Amino acid sequence: DAKTTQPTSMDCAEGRAANLPCNHSTISGNEYVYWYRQIHSQGPQYIIHGLKNNETNEMASLIITEDRKSSTLILPHATLRDTAVYYCIARAGGTSYGKLTFGQGTILTVHP
Amino acid sequence: DSGVTQTPKHLITATGQRVTLRCSPRSGDLSVYWYQQSLDQGLQFLIQYYNGEERAKGNILERFSAQQFPDLHSELNLSSLELGDSALYFCASSADTGIGNTIYFGEGSWLTVV
Repeated sequence: DAKTTQPTSMDCAEGRAANLPCNHSTISGNEYVYWYRQIHSQGPQYIIHGLKNNETNEMASLIITEDRKSSTLILPHATLRDTAVYYCIARAGGTSYGKLTFGQGTILTVHP
Repeated sequence: DSGVTQTPKHLITATGQRVTLRCSPRSGDLSVYWYQQSLDQGLQFLIQYYNGEERAKGNILERFSAQQFPDLHSELNLSSLELGDSALYFCASSADTGIGNTIYFGEGSWLTVV
């Protein structure tokens, strides 16, 4: 699985967009980029995933650069409940059988 | 609610004992994953099953074992427990092993070994 690099922590004001970067410069062509978050010891919550194209759902948007070496998760209007650890994962198939390998993630703190 | 059910939610047991954690995957999901989260290790992949067969193994101790039954529920057995086994244990499931299929996590089982 390709290694991902994320900032250790970020702050965001409530109501503003939160932009969380992720570097995955060694990602291979068939690895998906997945984002999960974990709110205080709850189960990791799926946010969004993509392969090449930008993706949007009711929670967030995922912007993947054309060379696929980095991506940005965008929470358009952050709320206090979005305070969590956000994990960016490059998910591989083949001998990895699609398991998720979690790094340290980014601690996002949304403040009033 | 992810649809993945784990029991028990909390468990306190003594060193040397054996416990079983149970997981019911989302309806129709064939693949089950187990993860361990301790304070100093983060989320660690333990093992994966697909339709009853083991598919991938991570950093799972020999004292730990798992299986997936014909009805697709899974159990993680932890034996000869040590203080260091205290952790949150998560089960997750997906439709199959395809990497385009989302993996959904349960709320975890808190294990405290005293």
